[in-house]
Amino acid sequence: KAGVTQTPRYLIKTRGQQVTLSCSPISGHRSVSWYQQTPGQGLQFLFEYFSETQRNKGNFPGRFSGRQFSNSRSEMNVSTLELGDSALYLCASSFGRWTSGSSYEQYFGPGTRLTVT
Amino acid sequence: KNEVEQSPQNLTAQEGEFITINCSYSVGISALHWLQQHPGGGIVSLFMLSSGKKKHGRLIATINIQEKHSSLHITASHPRDSAVYICAVFAQGGSEKLVFGKGTKLTVNP
Repeated sequence: KAGVTQTPRYLIKTRGQQVTLSCSPISGHRSVSWYQQTPGQGLQFLFEYFSETQRNKGNFPGRFSGRQFSNSRSEMNVSTLELGDSALYLCASSFGRWTSGSSYEQYFGPGTRLTVT
Repeated sequence: KNEVEQSPQNLTAQEGEFITINCSYSVGISALHWLQQHPGGGIVSLFMLSSGKKKHGRLIATINIQEKHSSLHITASHPRDSAVYICAVFAQGGSEKLVFGKGTKLTVNP
């Protein structure tokens, strides 16, 4: 069974541009969560999608958005890039919603490393 | 002050040693999660627990809800255990969002 895949793996963008990152979950998984990891802030939760609906959102500005398609693949978009958006962006999938009461495991992708210059 | 604090930040051990990584949190939680991140970035979910103790192979995770503290133990450590171990909590109240600690970098030398 293929794992979570993320494309692209590496990306260099210029300040002010926008970027779209893609995440393909494990087959059959319906929940996709996105995280940002930086050396200064560590891991931070961005948002969670389940059955094409955003179910939860972290404390990030509106420049960060996402969506989920009917095949559970998800994309996240960052508009008007800032230097501080340079980070490793990770997505993770699980069969059901991944909450505190969940018995489902969450599987992480390898991440997309975004560098903003 | 971060809501989730881990100690130590860095830990170096010799192969075979017993390892303990600590996680303290200041908020009410509904569950706590331990993650392992290998060099290169790949993250593996290790445990999610809301009470007591869980064991998987050489890894043991415990949580004391009253003391707001969790520990991750590694018995008979091995160089392949070298990784960053991250604690995260589902904070109570309102929507459930994961709040992460900054991680503990473990190096196990042969």
